[in-house]
Amino acid sequence: GESVGLHLPTLSVQEGDNSIINCAYSNSASDYFIWYKQESGKGPQFIIDIRSNMDKRQGQRVTVLLNKTVKHLSLQIAATQPGDSAVYFCAENGGAAGNKLTFGGGTRVLVKP
Amino acid sequence: DTGVSQDPRHKITKRGQNVTFRCDPISEHNRLYWYRQTLGQGPEFLTYFQNEAQLEKSRLLSDRFSAERPKGSFSTLEIQRTEQGDSAMYLCASSLPAGSEQYFGPGTRLTVT
Repeated sequence: GESVGLHLPTLSVQEGDNSIINCAYSNSASDYFIWYKQESGKGPQFIIDIRSNMDKRQGQRVTVLLNKTVKHLSLQIAATQPGDSAVYFCAENGGAAGNKLTFGGGTRVLVKP
Repeated sequence: DTGVSQDPRHKITKRGQNVTFRCDPISEHNRLYWYRQTLGQGPEFLTYFQNEAQLEKSRLLSDRFSAERPKGSFSTLEIQRTEQGDSAMYLCASSLPAGSEQYFGPGTRLTVT
């Protein structure tokens, strides 16, 4: 079936460096994508979203890039901080009216001091 | 703090018992979603409500599972005759109408012994 997946299960990054987390999706009907951050024992925390009519969106220290041609989504975190250590999930809505989300398997980001 | 609350945070039950979880969404959000998350995986969609109407249920939601949102505010998720395979984190999210970001609660961790 349609799925969302991530290329790298674990990303180790030096504090202060930039992080890039990648995600491939296969449902071409998806028109809305979200990145979530999840810390141990907590629910997913919304980071940033992007609609299919855009290819880039910036937030505070984060940028999401969408390449619909190759069905690829990425999250860039600038100047990674220890508090950024968590599991990151991309999710897509499948273009469904209900906006139910399909999540990838997650990428763990470890920030080294 | 996203504003979505869930109760209880943890539940340990014996196989065969019934359990009920509660979710209180952000007050102005008319959409409410239930997801299930197992260790190391992304959340999986179970069901969602728009106001008090349950509009979609996943194939994951067997007939032992039932969800309600009687007044369009809080929601309950009941699992009857629990099985060990039901052990997971049950997450609730809420949003404004379709196309809006979903905000998650902290989850209820269920352990079936």
